[in-house]
Amino acid sequence: DSGVTQTPKHLITATGQRVTLRCSPRSGDLSVYWYQQSLDQGLQFLIQYYNGEERAKGNILERFSAQQFPDLHSELNLSSLELGDSALYFCASRAGLGGEYYGYTFGSGTRLTVV
Amino acid sequence: AQSVAQPEDQVNVAEGNPLTVKCTYSVSGNPYLFWYVQYPNRGLQFLLKYITGDNLVKGSYGFEAEFNKSQTSFHLKKPSALVSDSALYFCAVRAPYGQNFVFGPGTRLSVLP
Repeated sequence: DSGVTQTPKHLITATGQRVTLRCSPRSGDLSVYWYQQSLDQGLQFLIQYYNGEERAKGNILERFSAQQFPDLHSELNLSSLELGDSALYFCASRAGLGGEYYGYTFGSGTRLTVV
Repeated sequence: AQSVAQPEDQVNVAEGNPLTVKCTYSVSGNPYLFWYVQYPNRGLQFLLKYITGDNLVKGSYGFEAEFNKSQTSFHLKKPSALVSDSALYFCAVRAPYGQNFVFGPGTRLSVLP
């Protein structure tokens, strides 16, 4: 157990629907990162939050949004889902904005299947 | 902009033989370099890192990696492969003052008994 908890582990939903993925970072970690892993595009950075504030955006679609709550857990909201959104979505946490010596701690991911 | 290349999609090696998984990078300034491993249906796990100092770094499970600044490479190595090393390996780089890591596309390692 890495200490980063992601729920649900699996999600199957229909096109056009909206889903919410949840991440609880490792205790004490203030930074949360969301990544999308698909077969054709590898591991793509989506967005980063630090202590409740958005800090960096990557290749995140406008249909996707995220937030980090006061208790530091984060949610990734995916709306108007398309078949191509099917992927593994990973959350990772890190102690601070620095913490480069320790890299990221990853959760086990949420596998989203859009049918 | 920073980038990472892992030139091999797949590496096959016999158990007991040495293994190498290649990684080259592009970044401004001195890089922070990492290797992660992903087992089926699991998240990425940290293996080792290079920040500064000795070019040869040792990590978990007997893995090591050599930083070569002139060749901008950070190849992952292990002297004797195990079947249990079979997994997907990711190299990642971060610029010294950057916020985020950029991951390579991954290399699937298969260790054959």
